[in-house]
This record gives sequence, C-alpha cells and structure tokens, in this order.
Amino acid sequence: AAGVIQSPRHLIKEKRETATLKCYPIPRHDTVYWYQQGPGQDPQFLISFYEKMQSDKGSIPDRFSAQQFSDYHSELNMSSLELGDSALYFCASTFGDRFEPPLHFGNGTRLTVT
Amino acid sequence: SQQGEEDPQALSIQEGENATMNCSYKTSINNLQWYRQNSGRGLVHLILIRSNEREKHSGRLRVTLDTSKKSSSLLITASRAADTASYFCATAWYRGSNYKLTFGKGTLLTVNP
Repeated sequence: AAGVIQSPRHLIKEKRETATLKCYPIPRHDTVYWYQQGPGQDPQFLISFYEKMQSDKGSIPDRFSAQQFSDYHSELNMSSLELGDSALYFCASTFGDRFEPPLHFGNGTRLTVT
Repeated sequence: SQQGEEDPQALSIQEGENATMNCSYKTSINNLQWYRQNSGRGLVHLILIRSNEREKHSGRLRVTLDTSKKSSSLLITASRAADTASYFCATAWYRGSNYKLTFGKGTLLTVNP
C-alpha cells in the first residue's frame, strides 16, 4: 500500500540558508501534519492543513512557512536556518480532521544545519 | 503543555517478559493513541482508544485508559527483541475546527534476547 512520501530523506544546510521539505500524503488523504523531533525528544507539532487550508498552528517559528497544494502535497519552507533547527521533520497524513483513522507518518527528513 | 510525562523513560527487559509503559496527560481528550518509533524512523500507529473506552486489545498489545486519572498504559505481552523501539502516547483533542494531536515524551524499550 502507498505510504506517506517525504523528500529529501537527508538534508545538510549551513546556517542562514533556506530549506524546503516536501510531503506527499497517501492518496485520498486530505489532511497533512508537520512535526519536528529533536534528538531524544518527542515530536512537536508545527502546523497542519485540512483541504488545503491551514487548520492549526503549533510551535512553528516565524522563519518557517508551509502550504498544501491542490494535489494535497505539502511543503515546509525554512529560512534563516539555525543550528537548533537540526532535527527530524515528519509529515503525517490522514483523511478528515478528526484523528480517526489515526495519522500515517512518513519516514521523515533529517535536517542537519552546520 | 497538554501532555505530562511518560514513565518509565527507559525500560530494559528480557525476551518473553511483559513490558508496561504509562502515559499521563493534563487536559480532556477525544482519544488517545500509541505509536512506535524505531531509531531514526517514522512513527507507526499501534492502537487507538476512545475517551469512552476503558480497555482495548490488539494482538499482544493491551491499552487501558483512565480518564478520571488522566492516564493510560500500554502493555506488551511476551516481548520479542523486535519490539525494541521507542513508544509514544499521543492525545487527540478537537473542538469545532480546533484539532490537536500532542505526543508525550516516550519510553525507550529494549528487549534483550
């Protein structure tokens, strides 16, 4: 069965550079969530989209922005990167906005900022 | 934070033993979910329990939910080395157009062969 696809799998950037992470949800899923997971930490919610509209916002820095496109894929844009942005970034998708069925996670993008 | 701590933070057991992990939360929820994460990989959904349910089973997994104590437990019976992973609980809360799925700190389970 198709899963959530994230690209790239690994990304190395320098401080103050920009990065774009992409997420392709499971077909027919209309809801996308972005989470950030630092080393040894729990996943922290960043932002979510339902039917191409932002549905909720968490601890996402102002330097980050995201959107969901007409084909339901989503992109997380990160500017003025800082060392503390180094983390695993997960995208998850589901159908509907009620967490039932639960989220399906991609394998994440590991961002390293040097 | 909507989430409390999971305990223990780390658990090491022998193959065949049972593993119990606990999760506490702070606010009202619609459901609670448990996820598993192998090192550096994505989170895999294990089981969901609704706020009006008290216990749920799925294979070797048993989840309990006590909404009066705002706590949940995940029991893995007859553990296997392949169960070695981090386990996270996540609480789902929604009111109208506001939705949140918040993860706890996680328990690192090591099952020794």
